[in-house]
Amino acid sequence: QKEVEQNSGPLSVPEGAIASLNCTYSDRGSQSFFWYRQYSGKSPELIMFIYSNGDKEDGRFTAQLNKASQYVSLLIRDSQPSDSATYLCAVGVWAGTASKLTFGTGTRLQVTL
Amino acid sequence: DVKVTQSSRYLVKRTGEKVFLECVQDMDHENMFWYRQDPGLGLRLIYFSYDVKMKEKGDIPEGYSVSREKKERFSLILESASTNQTSMYLCASSFPPTSGRSDTQYFGPGTRLTVL
Repeated sequence: QKEVEQNSGPLSVPEGAIASLNCTYSDRGSQSFFWYRQYSGKSPELIMFIYSNGDKEDGRFTAQLNKASQYVSLLIRDSQPSDSATYLCAVGVWAGTASKLTFGTGTRLQVTL
Repeated sequence: DVKVTQSSRYLVKRTGEKVFLECVQDMDHENMFWYRQDPGLGLRLIYFSYDVKMKEKGDIPEGYSVSREKKERFSLILESASTNQTSMYLCASSFPPTSGRSDTQYFGPGTRLTVL
């Protein structure tokens, strides 16, 4: 059974601080890695994807991947109240002509004023 | 911008009814997916399709079927709705990983289905 594990939180950080979200996965054959943000009652929206070991930066967001440790993380710099949401980690395994994603249950982030 | 639309935001049905949920994408994506999302269980894959008329079971296909007659449209069918199918249903679409483009899945707004 492929698993993706996240701490459910809530993770509480003050406005302007760095939020660090972590995710581990069990399938060593995983090839694509995603972070989605989901506001309450809404559908997931893509924050970032990463395929290779190392860091990938996009604005205030940095994704980090370590395939040897089966670990992927998301850093949010200068956290804003609008960042308060549930963050879903998703891990993809390429099965022929489709990539099947396994999702973690999400980490709830609260950015406090 | 990628656009994935779903036929209803909220739906209330009775036990035993046949239910159709429809999803349309405008990005010419080959792959389309149906998930359900329940508190504490996360998103679980019901079915996916990698081409017109082609489908594969996901992790929880029991009680569901799908139809893909056109590339842009993917339907989820509950043959005989039951109360344990009350959930948020999410459709997504993506390019295949063999396309050379990102296999990011883009989600529709979701349909919250209640079965009474």
